Order: sequence, then structure tokens, then C-alpha cells
Amino acid sequence: KNQVEQSPQSLIILEGKNCTLQCNYTVSPFSNLRWYKQDTGRGPVSLTIMTFSENTKSNGRYTATLDADTKQSSLHITASQLSDSASYICVVTTGVGMEYGNKLVFGAGTILRVKS
Amino acid sequence: DAGITQSPRHKVTETGTPVTLRCHQTENHRYMYWYRQDPGHGLRLIHYSYGVKDTDKGEVSDGYSVSRSKTEDFLLTLESATSSQTSVYFCAISEGGLLNTGELFFGEGSRLTVL
Repeated sequence: KNQVEQSPQSLIILEGKNCTLQCNYTVSPFSNLRWYKQDTGRGPVSLTIMTFSENTKSNGRYTATLDADTKQSSLHITASQLSDSASYICVVTTGVGMEYGNKLVFGAGTILRVKS
Repeated sequence: DAGITQSPRHKVTETGTPVTLRCHQTENHRYMYWYRQDPGHGLRLIHYSYGVKDTDKGEVSDGYSVSRSKTEDFLLTLESATSSQTSVYFCAISEGGLLNTGELFFGEGSRLTVL
């Protein structure tokens, strides 16, 4: 069964500190892995998209890593800010499922709260 | 921000009543999707469209129907709403398929409460 597991479920850190969010998946075949940020009451917004051949991808203070061998990804946030408080969602795309749209498997998300 | 507008943003209705949610895009993207988001679950696909009048079921399509008569509009209908359909519904769009690195853009969501 295709699954995406994220940990921790929630996390509280102090402003200025770094943190790392984890994503483990059992999706096969693998096409790409995405990280989204979802602010409370808003829709998810894309942070990074990584294909099989990419190990690391950065977007400002966000750095995503991918280990396709172990089927693990992480999202590292550097020098956290209050505005980083959000849910972070890991999404894996598989190349089968829908003929045209491809199948996305969503994790349940990690809720991050940054405190001052 | 991608030009996606969902309406209504909030709705409270009673069990057994019909409900239609509308998604309107200004990006001229081919693909449109309806997802639902529930606590403790990842987003789950209800239906999607790959062109005008071309739609297909997602993983949680029971109790829902969709229509796409124009490129820019994708409607989600609950023929007879049930309490289990209380959720936040997100519309999403993409220019192409998502197999490679095609971006998926989400709307702001429609919160539906079925009493």
C-alpha cells in the first residue's frame, strides 16, 4: 500500500533555532517528492519538488533532502521565524494510478509552531 | 499566487441537502482537482479533470459528482450531503500532469459543515 508517514506530528521550537522534519514513504514506483507549507486557514503552497536523481534542494531557509534508497526525505528549516509556523506536508508522486493526472500520496503533515 | 478562487469559502448545511462548490481559475491550466482535507489525514483526491467535459474519479469519490463545462470552472456537487462530508475542500490546478516536476497550485479552501 502506498503510504507517506511524517514525523513528528507536531513540534514547538524557539525563534531562531533550526529544525528538521522527517518523511518516510513506501510509494512505488516513485516519480517525485514535494514539500508544501500550509498556513492555518490557507491552501498548501509548494516549497520544493525533487525527482529521483536529486539529493538536495533549497528554497531560501528551507532545504529538502531525498534518499531514494532508504525512501526517506527531510525538510530542514534554518534560523526559524515566527512566520514559519504552519503545517508542512510531504507528498510523493507515483507514476501509476490515474491515466492523465498521476497519483499523489499525501502525508498527514507536521505542525510546526515557532515561539518568540 | 495562482489565480484560483473557491466559492463559497464557508458553508453550513443540513443533512440531505444538495451542495455545490465552485472552483474558478484564470491560469488556463488543463488539469483541475478536488481534494478533501480532514484532521489526521493527508489530502485525498475526490475527482479530477483533464479537460473540458473530461473527468475521472479519485480515491474518495463516493457521494460526489463533478462537472467541467468550461476550462476555467470545475464544480463539485454533493447530491445529498451527509455528516461524513464535513471537511475542508481544496481545489487545485496544474498545467500538465504531475509525473515530472509540474507544479500543483491550491486554492484557499472551502470549509463545509453538514449538521
